Formats: sequence, structure tokens, C-alpha cells
Amino acid sequence: GAGVSQTPSNKVTEKGKYVELRCDPISGHTALYWYRQSLGQGPEFLIYFQGTGAADDSGLPNDRFFAVRPEGSVSTLKIQRTERGDSAVYLCASSLMIRVVPDTQYFGPGTRLTVL
Amino acid sequence: DQQVKQNSPSLSVQEGRISILNCDYTNSMFDYFLWYKKYPAEGPTFLISISSIKDKNEDGRFTVFLNKSAKHLSLHIVPSQPGDSAVYFCAASATLGSNYKLTFGKGTLLTVNP
Repeated sequence: GAGVSQTPSNKVTEKGKYVELRCDPISGHTALYWYRQSLGQGPEFLIYFQGTGAADDSGLPNDRFFAVRPEGSVSTLKIQRTERGDSAVYLCASSLMIRVVPDTQYFGPGTRLTVL
Repeated sequence: DQQVKQNSPSLSVQEGRISILNCDYTNSMFDYFLWYKKYPAEGPTFLISISSIKDKNEDGRFTVFLNKSAKHLSLHIVPSQPGDSAVYFCAASATLGSNYKLTFGKGTLLTVNP
């Protein structure tokens, strides 16, 4: 079956611009996560959705970052007034989340964002 | 402050030998640990996990060992194969509270030479 897909795979933008990054989770997965991986670092948690609602957005760095998942499937990460420090690979993951114990998160290939 | 540390940025081993990747953590609340493998231009792929109620979990060529008192875990790959060459990330979560939130180390680049 299809895995997690992310579009675009690469995005180059200029400082100050607005960008949207899209994630299509595995069909039937109710939980969706966004992580950011900066150069030389491991992925860092940004936000977690259970269904349509953001259950935990504590990892979003500031109010320029916002994410939505209006129908409980596709999610969009939105970044306003981009800065050079936002350059990173943005990873999306999904999981079934039917148990209390942590379940396996399946990652997409990521979107490489470059802010010039 | 890094809560999950992988102190070796890279490791090189010969095909057929054992690869040992190490990971240390500082947060005592972590009780579930995972290893992910990442090839270039792909997302991380789940490899193996271990709960803190165990000290060893094995899956084929991959074994993870957990030493809770030392807050240390390791991934053993035996025998190593060239296709194992990738970046390996150690990750941890706390089942009480935010069990969905994975905290990752910086990764170790494993190169298996033919």
C-alpha cells in the first residue's frame, strides 16, 4: 500500500515569503505528526494531530508556524514570513494510534525547504 | 540540552562483522526506545524498538540492548551487510504523558564496506 507522501519534495523560497507544505498520511491512520530536521540534527517534534485537532503543538517554534488537518486526513504545514533559519527538511509521519503504548510512526520522504 | 545523545557521528565496519551503534539518554521519564534507519532522500524507517521492562529485543540480524541504570542502549547488527549503510537514529518517548512525541538523537552514519 501507499506510504506517507509529501509535496513538494523541494521548495526554494525567498526570505519573507509564505510557504505551504503538504502531507498525505497512510490511509486509515488517525494520528499525524510533523517534525523538522535541521542539518546535522535528528528530527525534532513540531506538532501532533489526533483526527482533525492539534492535540499538541508545543514544538512549533513560534507563531509564524501553523498546521491544519481539516478533514482528519491530509495536513498542511504553513510558514509565514519565512526566515533563513527555517531552512530544513520537514518530515511528516502517521500512525494508527489505537493503543495507549507508543505505536510505530511511519515517515514520509520529507520536504526540503530552502529559504534564500 | 540534548536528551538523546548519539556520540559517534559515524562508524565504518567490514561486511560480515558486527556493527554496534550506541545511544545515551538523560530523561528518566523515557521508557520506550526505538531505532530508525534513514537512507538519503528518504524518510526514517522504523527498525526495532524496546520497552523499559525488557533489556533485550531481537529481530533477525538486529538486536537492541537496554541498560536502564546506565541510561544507555545499543543496536547490534550481525552480520553487517553493505545494504545496512545508512544513518541510524535512536529515539525515545515517555509512555506516561506525551507518548506520541519522539525525541531523536543526531544520528550515526554507518558504512559497511564490502
